Amino acid sequence: QTVVTQEPSFSVSPGGTVTLTCGLSSGSVSTSYYPSWYQQTPGQAPRTLIYSTNTRSSGVPDRFSGSILGNKAALTITGAQADDESDYYCVLYMGSGIYVFGTGTKVTVL
Amino acid sequence: EVQLLESGGGLVQPGGSLRLSCAASGFTFSSYAMSWVRQAPGKGLEWVSAISGSGGSTYYADSVKGRFTISRDNSKNTLYLQMNSLRAEDTAVYYCAKHIIAAAANDAFDIWGQGTMVTVSS
Repeated sequence: QTVVTQEPSFSVSPGGTVTLTCGLSSGSVSTSYYPSWYQQTPGQAPRTLIYSTNTRSSGVPDRFSGSILGNKAALTITGAQADDESDYYCVLYMGSGIYVFGTGTKVTVL
Repeated sequence: EVQLLESGGGLVQPGGSLRLSCAASGFTFSSYAMSWVRQAPGKGLEWVSAISGSGGSTYYADSVKGRFTISRDNSKNTLYLQMNSLRAEDTAVYYCAKHIIAAAANDAFDIWGQGTMVTVSS
């Protein structure tokens, strides 16, 4: 069973930078997994931030960026703001029409 | 405005069935794949199923394969999820999500509905 791993939590200061990662229980993440990133605040539907590794979804500020770092996908928030405090999920495309969500990272801005 | 509106959630007994609907508006529905994603109370997001824009290809997570059926009616701009043999662990908010392309492969989700709650309990 494939597990997509994320850090459980991160804390960042207002104006600071944080990088969240998305890895595989076995193997490396590459652009071939078409990694995407989603933001969710409690009680709300997810919001799409990044798709196809590094393409920002419409209306997403450029302080959010995606990349591959080493053997993982990464989401970097540069100049964190209070309303960036949310849960963040990555998704990997595993082939054959199958998608797997990561375990999620809770980001606190304080 | 692009919009997705889920309906059909509710309380159902274990072993029962339920059909969810997702009404789409503001885009050419048949041109895009669609997925269902769920979130159990206090837990993370879980991809459930996807269907291509034409409806000719369907995909399922192992956790629901054989019990759930995804379908779409492009003439009605509506996505469905037929859920049979429901279990307590199927209790979740179910979201429909629009894909970025038609093929449901090598892809991601860009628009989300607000979700509908399904509770499986006796």
